[in-house]
Amino acid sequence: AQRVTQPEKLLSVFKGAPVELKCNYSYSGSPELFWYVQYSRQRLQLLLRHISRESIKGFTADLNKGETSFHLKKPFAQEEDSAMYYCAHLNAGNMLTFGGGTRLMVKP
Amino acid sequence: EAQVTQNPRYLITVTGKKLTVTCSQNMNHEYMSWYRQDPGLGLRQIYYSMNVEVTDKGDVPEGYKVSRKEKRNFPLILESPSPNQTSLYFCASSFSLLRPQQYFGPGTRLTVT
Repeated sequence: AQRVTQPEKLLSVFKGAPVELKCNYSYSGSPELFWYVQYSRQRLQLLLRHISRESIKGFTADLNKGETSFHLKKPFAQEEDSAMYYCAHLNAGNMLTFGGGTRLMVKP
Repeated sequence: EAQVTQNPRYLITVTGKKLTVTCSQNMNHEYMSWYRQDPGLGLRQIYYSMNVEVTDKGDVPEGYKVSRKEKRNFPLILESPSPNQTSLYFCASSFSLLRPQQYFGPGTRLTVT
């Protein structure tokens, strides 16, 4: 089955430390991948899209087709980065499949 | 303001009592979908619609129905709710296949007793 896997349910780091949230996918072909973020008591919102290759709020994500990964990285975590992060894959039928999510906690 | 709205935001109901959760978007988006969010399972797609009168099953469609009679509305219908449908539900919309960034509603927390 086609899957998006986020192996860590919880990631806890100190403020200023680097952070990497892992995402692996198992789809064939050219993937279209996203990172969504959900801050406390807020709706889910798009953080990054791999096609745009941009940096949002200091986060970047590189698609590695060899490792079928799309890890989200930030060199220096901030307390306001604490949130749930979801990796997602969009298939050719426009169906978005989410990973199980990783809760990032940034401690002061 | 461009947005996706859902109603109700919170609902407690009993097994078997039909309910509808409404979803509306004001961005003229073609694509709309419903997800449920459960602890440890993340977000799973229930149904999606690529345009008016075009709907398709997602990963977990059992026990749900949808309709897309107008472009802006995409209600989720539970004909006979059961306790395993207790969940947090999100509606989302996106402009089209070529612009698939999804905008999410605020969520509806449903409890079925």
